[in-house]
Amino acid sequence: AQSVAQPEDQVNVAEGNPLTVKCTYSVSGNPYLFWYVQYPNRGLQFLLKYITGDNLVKGSYGFEAEFNKSQTSFHLKKPSALVSDSALYFCAVRDQTGANNLFFGTGTRLTVIP
Amino acid sequence: EPEVTQTPSHQVTQMGQEVILRCVPISNHLYFYWYRQILGQKVEFLVSFYNNEISEKSEIFDDQFSVERPDGSNFTLKIRSTKLEDSAMYFCASRIGSAYQETQYFGPGTRLLVL
Repeated sequence: AQSVAQPEDQVNVAEGNPLTVKCTYSVSGNPYLFWYVQYPNRGLQFLLKYITGDNLVKGSYGFEAEFNKSQTSFHLKKPSALVSDSALYFCAVRDQTGANNLFFGTGTRLTVIP
Repeated sequence: EPEVTQTPSHQVTQMGQEVILRCVPISNHLYFYWYRQILGQKVEFLVSFYNNEISEKSEIFDDQFSVERPDGSNFTLKIRSTKLEDSAMYFCASRIGSAYQETQYFGPGTRLLVL
């Protein structure tokens, strides 16, 4: 069965500093991994995905994520955090059977401190 | 840029009542999904829909739930007799095709409160 874990409920970072939001996954085959962001009272917005190819994936709003197969991780990163990055971040893995639904992690709340 | 839309944004209902949540997926997308997020918890898959039938459903999607695509644009989730524990944010999502690399795009959600 597929699953993802986000070990940190909350991450605080000062504006301008680099940020990392952690995600580890468990799949039986090739992992297809996604990051979504949820702003207050908004839906889930797609940030980036890893399907195959380069381990460093670049996405929206300056975010990137590094796929590490040996550590089964897919951490989200940004070199310089903005206050507007404050939101709830979800890592997800695609179901490898059936209808390709997503399995989500529990989410990490990122707060960027001015 | 095309986006998934959902109505209503908020719905309050009495326990035992029926509710219908509506979604308009992105127009050229073929795969549709419903997810829910109970307050403070993770997003959970409910059901997927393709070619006018359910393709997969989770354990949460019991007989109280049904989905329908009544016309060429709307995709609805019906809860026949709501329970307190159905209170959640419900997200609709759509995807263009069956390829494994395709991204699901989510709507803004409907917050359902069952009293």
